Amino acid sequence: GAGVSQSPSNKVTEKGKDVELRCDPISGHTALYWYRQRLGQGLEFLIYFQGNSAPDKSGLPSDRFSAERTGESVSTLTIQRTQQEDSAVYLCASSSSGLSYNEQFFGPGTRLTVL
Amino acid sequence: AQKVTQAQTEISVVEKEDVTLDCVYETRDTTYYLFWYKQPPSGELVFLIRRNSFDEQNEISGRYSWNFQKSTSSFNFTITASQVVDSAVYFCALSEARGGADGLTFGKGTHLIIQP
Repeated sequence: GAGVSQSPSNKVTEKGKDVELRCDPISGHTALYWYRQRLGQGLEFLIYFQGNSAPDKSGLPSDRFSAERTGESVSTLTIQRTQQEDSAVYLCASSSSGLSYNEQFFGPGTRLTVL
Repeated sequence: AQKVTQAQTEISVVEKEDVTLDCVYETRDTTYYLFWYKQPPSGELVFLIRRNSFDEQNEISGRYSWNFQKSTSSFNFTITASQVVDSAVYFCALSEARGGADGLTFGKGTHLIIQP
């Protein structure tokens, strides 16, 4: 498809396990973003990639969170030793560049539940 | 730091009524961009509009209109003659001139319920 895709759509895991979330941006989009949406809340910005590099990782909630992007395409968000507070929908977005006026196109999200 | 406030957590109106969703923002930048996104029950955010800080003209798109007022730091969204399909969570967001590196700052959203 032409839009942003994310997998899995749902993930249930046990506390303490590691999880990996995947994002496929729109082809040709150089900028990629990860957000977290807790139940009933707005979106919380986590990290931004321009190409394969992330200039600023300070938005990641803790050192258990990491993200990478390869080939200026797919990105993975990894959460190690998951905690119940990590339960949320994780949204990925891409845009044609990292300029602030560019529209971001969002994927459907991955709903993570930590038991 | 930037901040977006959507004071209305939930609004419920009867179909065909007009409804206004409020958005108030804070930023120290003189150049910034404001956005509205719609999140229907399916969950996927849909872009509605972008406005830059130098353009205070109001915009109308069909039943949707936006009122941007820098003097009050507000960017309100009005739906005229609402329809059931308008039911969704609506988010206002801000992007500063530093570029995408900061991502979008979102408000907490307004859940709009249109009753038939």
